[in-house]
Amino acid sequence: AQTVTQSQPEMSVQEAETVTLSCTYDTSESDYYLFWYKQPPSRQMILVIRQEAYKQQNATENRFSVNFQKAAKSFSLKISDSQLGDAAMYFCAYRSEMNRDDKIIFGKGTRLHILP
Amino acid sequence: EAGVAQSPRYKIIEKRQSVAFWCNPISGHATLYWYQQILGQGPKLLIQFQNNGVVDDSQLPKDRFSAERLKGVDSTLKIQPAKLEDSAVYLCASSPKAIAGYSYEQYFGPGTRLTVT
Repeated sequence: AQTVTQSQPEMSVQEAETVTLSCTYDTSESDYYLFWYKQPPSRQMILVIRQEAYKQQNATENRFSVNFQKAAKSFSLKISDSQLGDAAMYFCAYRSEMNRDDKIIFGKGTRLHILP
Repeated sequence: EAGVAQSPRYKIIEKRQSVAFWCNPISGHATLYWYQQILGQGPKLLIQFQNNGVVDDSQLPKDRFSAERLKGVDSTLKIQPAKLEDSAVYLCASSPKAIAGYSYEQYFGPGTRLTVT
């Protein structure tokens, strides 16, 4: 069974600085998707960024980028120029390509604090 | 485009009572998910519907939890009777039907925070 591990329960970063959230996963599959979801205090979960395992190029979305290391099964999220609105819980998630049911497995999350 | 709607937003009940949550997915989304998110943990899938059929309910405690999605649109999740450990946020999400080679984003509702005393 696939697992997703986020080893940092909480992190803090100064506003305008860069922070990296870590995520590792375990799978025997070669085709899959990885996601980072953001859950602000209002609790509406939104997708931040996605990565297809077959793509070597790391995904980027404005100030958000990932470092995808397939062999190491590592998928970290880098937030550049941190803003107060980035404060939230961040969940790393995995979805198998083999299982067409679109089921997503979430990590336990990292709470990110932005210090003004 | 309207998002995923859930109600109520908050609910407090005593153990052994019953409770029901309602979810209205984004129009046209074939797949609907119910997640349980216990404080300090990531969401755990309880049940997944495709249209009005169940795709996966392997982690649904069927002795007390039930869910239905009549007509393939709205869905209700019921707990009867509730236990203290059911205190959590219940999230509903929806997405278009999955296709080979592409993973659609799941769109989440605001959740229902349940407190069982």
